[in-house]
Amino acid sequence: GQQLNQSPQSMFIQEGEDVSMNCTSSSIFNTWLWYKQDPGEGPVLLIALYKAGELTSNGRLTAQFGITRKDSFLNISASIPSDVGIYFCAGSAYSGAGSYQLTFGKGTKLSVIP
Amino acid sequence: NAGVTQTPKFQVLKTGQSMTLQCAQDMNHEYMSWYRQDPGMGLRLIHYSVGAGITDQGEVPNGYNVSRSTTEDFPLRLLSAAPSQTSVYFCASSYTRGPNQPQHFGDGTRLSIL
Repeated sequence: GQQLNQSPQSMFIQEGEDVSMNCTSSSIFNTWLWYKQDPGEGPVLLIALYKAGELTSNGRLTAQFGITRKDSFLNISASIPSDVGIYFCAGSAYSGAGSYQLTFGKGTKLSVIP
Repeated sequence: NAGVTQTPKFQVLKTGQSMTLQCAQDMNHEYMSWYRQDPGMGLRLIHYSVGAGITDQGEVPNGYNVSRSTTEDFPLRLLSAAPSQTSVYFCASSYTRGPNQPQHFGDGTRLSIL
């Protein structure tokens, strides 16, 4: 099946610093999604990207859909303690019979030091 | 404003026991899916449904059964639990199965098989 390489696996940053993480694949995706998961909860959608080259912001978060449709990045500016969690990228691709499947990266665990 | 509701939140089983993980959504979503989350593996698709009466296999379907008798409910059954099925299980839903419909997740069921 399709695989996503998400990096870095984990990061420790000081409060106020900017954060950058990315996902790459050998396959083309129609949609890129970025989720955040807090401990003990399910993933929550942060940003959805639908077109190659698209750059979308949600508050301090900015994400881009790569031109080749094989990669995406997520930036967080001026990190705060509540940014702590696991961030997942996910790519949606046609899987046949009129259906699309979501493939997830393995996650980036973010720790913010106050 | 329930969204996707999963029950139970925690469960411990003995090898060989059977059980059903419940998932219900109140958003009239057509598309529902089950994922398992293991450390370092991200989320992997088990089964999905594009509408009532229609189900299909995902990436890791072995050992699990599903059915979709109503739009709202999508239970996941373990017929004979094995230790390898120890994991956190997430149910998700979206309005349609198309690429532009990000999935909404429940808070998960933490399952341990002894």
